[in-house]
Amino acid sequence: SYELTQPPSVSVSPGQTASITCSGDNLGDKFVCWFQQRPGQSPVLVIYQDTKRPSGIPERFSGSNSGNTATLTISGTQAMDEADYYCQAWDSSTGVFGTGTKVTVL
Amino acid sequence: EVQLVESGGGLVQPGGSLRLSCEASGFTFIIYWMSWVRQAPGKGLEWVANIKQDGSEKYYVDSVKGRFSISRDNAKNSLYLQMNSLRAEDTAVYYCASLSPGGWIFDYWGQGTLVTVSS
Repeated sequence: SYELTQPPSVSVSPGQTASITCSGDNLGDKFVCWFQQRPGQSPVLVIYQDTKRPSGIPERFSGSNSGNTATLTISGTQAMDEADYYCQAWDSSTGVFGTGTKVTVL
Repeated sequence: EVQLVESGGGLVQPGGSLRLSCEASGFTFIIYWMSWVRQAPGKGLEWVANIKQDGSEKYYVDSVKGRFSISRDNAKNSLYLQMNSLRAEDTAVYYCASLSPGGWIFDYWGQGTLVTVSS
């Protein structure tokens, strides 16, 4: 079965840039979404189709996808960005989520 | 305002059954694929199942095939998940989510309902 691998944790200082990677075989051939999940809350879509931001999502969130790796970048990270982040893609009509990354804003 | 409200969770014994419901409002339910996603306590997200707008196509994660069944009632703007032969590893918060018509994108999520499988 298809797998998406993320680093378990990423630490970032306020105002700095956080990058979260998501790795999978030929992931660049698929569309990737990213979700933010704060403790006790439902996931929220922050990036879809690799690079697009839904309305209401701050411009500091951006995405890219090429080769075997997709990346979510948070520029000028704020304390409110502290959360778990999951990448997601589809493989033959099967949904696959990444292993998840906890972003800590120190 | 888009709302997805799940219900039906609870404590069930191993081997038992449970039916989850999700009531949708604030969007045109009939044009959306719908989905169930679950999250075990302290763990990551896991896609469970999808259903097409008219119910003619359904997809499941391997671990629930033959035990779970997704269905919908477009007249009631409702999505369901019938769960049979439940196992301890099915313990999770179950989220109902909509898949945007422009592509399979989880654009709206419910608040989730907790299913606990334990004796």
